[in-house]
Amino acid sequence: NAGVMQNPRHLVRRRGQEARLRCSPMKGHSHVYWYRQLPEEGLKFMVYLQKENIIDESGMPKERFSAEFPKEGPSILRIQQVVRGDSAAYFCASSPDSVEDEQYFGPGTRLTVT
Amino acid sequence: AQSVSQHNHHVILSEAASLELGCNYSYGGTVNLFWYVQYPGQHLQLLLKYFSGDPLVKGIKGFEAEFIKSKFSFNLRKPSVQWSDTAEYFCAVNKGSTLGRLYFGRGTQLTVWP
Repeated sequence: NAGVMQNPRHLVRRRGQEARLRCSPMKGHSHVYWYRQLPEEGLKFMVYLQKENIIDESGMPKERFSAEFPKEGPSILRIQQVVRGDSAAYFCASSPDSVEDEQYFGPGTRLTVT
Repeated sequence: AQSVSQHNHHVILSEAASLELGCNYSYGGTVNLFWYVQYPGQHLQLLLKYFSGDPLVKGIKGFEAEFIKSKFSFNLRKPSVQWSDTAEYFCAVNKGSTLGRLYFGRGTQLTVWP
């Protein structure tokens, strides 16, 4: 059973460009979570999704950030008009049906905004 | 503000030394508690978790943690560390009221000298 897949692993964008980060959960997992890790900080929750539904987006910045988890395909975290402060490691996690289950993490996408 | 605190940011030990990493949280009510580890170049992996029952939890690779409700603590321990334990360790809390969202401490970097 393959683990959580994230791509790309490294992404460089110039200020003002768009960044698209992809996450394929583990097989059979219907819950996806996105976290962001800024330098010298712990992981901060961004958004929790189930298939075709956003369950909790209270950690997402109000502007420029969006997330989706379509019926088919990976979950996408989209950052429009990136700024230097968006440079961070973005981690995706997935879990089986129960919210009390362990979250399995992907390797992360390191976004660098130049 | 409510938070998860890991008091030691960097711990350096010699092989065979005993380890204790502190974790305190400030959330009331029902909580689920986790320790994750990130080895160099790898993704986050679950070391152990506490949901209910025996407050002394045993995890993989000889790690254990004790939940002390009165102290809001969930400290990680290992009697004798190995060089291969060199990694970053994250404490995380899930509040029962916020579905699957995990709140992370900022992490402790453990370096073990052979």
